[in-house]
Amino acid sequence: EVQLVQSAAEVKTPGESLKISCEASGYGFDNYWIGWVRQMPGKGLEWMGFIYPAENLIRYSPSFEGQVTISADRSINTAYLEWDGLKASDTAIYYCARRGRYGIRLLDWIDPWGQGTLVTVSS
Amino acid sequence: EILLTQSPDTLSLSPGERVTLSCRATLNIGSYLAWYQQKTGQPPRLLISGASRRATGVPDRFSGSGYGTDFTLTISRVEPEDCAVYYCHQYSDAPDTFGQGVKLEIK
Repeated sequence: EVQLVQSAAEVKTPGESLKISCEASGYGFDNYWIGWVRQMPGKGLEWMGFIYPAENLIRYSPSFEGQVTISADRSINTAYLEWDGLKASDTAIYYCARRGRYGIRLLDWIDPWGQGTLVTVSS
Repeated sequence: EILLTQSPDTLSLSPGERVTLSCRATLNIGSYLAWYQQKTGQPPRLLISGASRRATGVPDRFSGSGYGTDFTLTISRVEPEDCAVYYCHQYSDAPDTFGQGVKLEIK
């Protein structure tokens, strides 16, 4: 069974750094794009960016380029989303998500999704 | 960036009724469209990919259709468990984008 298990909820103050994780299992981690989708409170879904671990290719949505860093550790089948200086507006649920099909084509449906990590940024 | 507009914003139906959700794209996206169901407190779940291909385990009362700019998700006979927000998603052009969602309520 393909699974994406995310790290626990976080509460941070503005300006702090944060790195959340997503451990993948049940498939060949290297050859599927895996990344992150944001859902702000009561709002819809926003594609942030994805990484192709086999070649360390990273693609960001223009809205998130320079705001976050996506990375992966192939040795432990884990993807990461990192902030260097959180803002209150970063408060959201962040979903780890895998592209549907094997291979280097970036654009594809998303399946499966992780359970979500709630990040709360408040002073 | 391709925009997706879903309609209506909210629907309220009785069990057994048929419902059709609409998703319209600002550019031709072929059949590169997916539908997801998100229940309260849960992550999204893939229902349909390639505009009309049901995902594994999705009941056959869910069906998708359309090509180009106009797409629909139909639930032939809604059940109480279908209470959720439904999102469309285009993956034709980067960045891929989502519709704003349709909330389906069951009376």
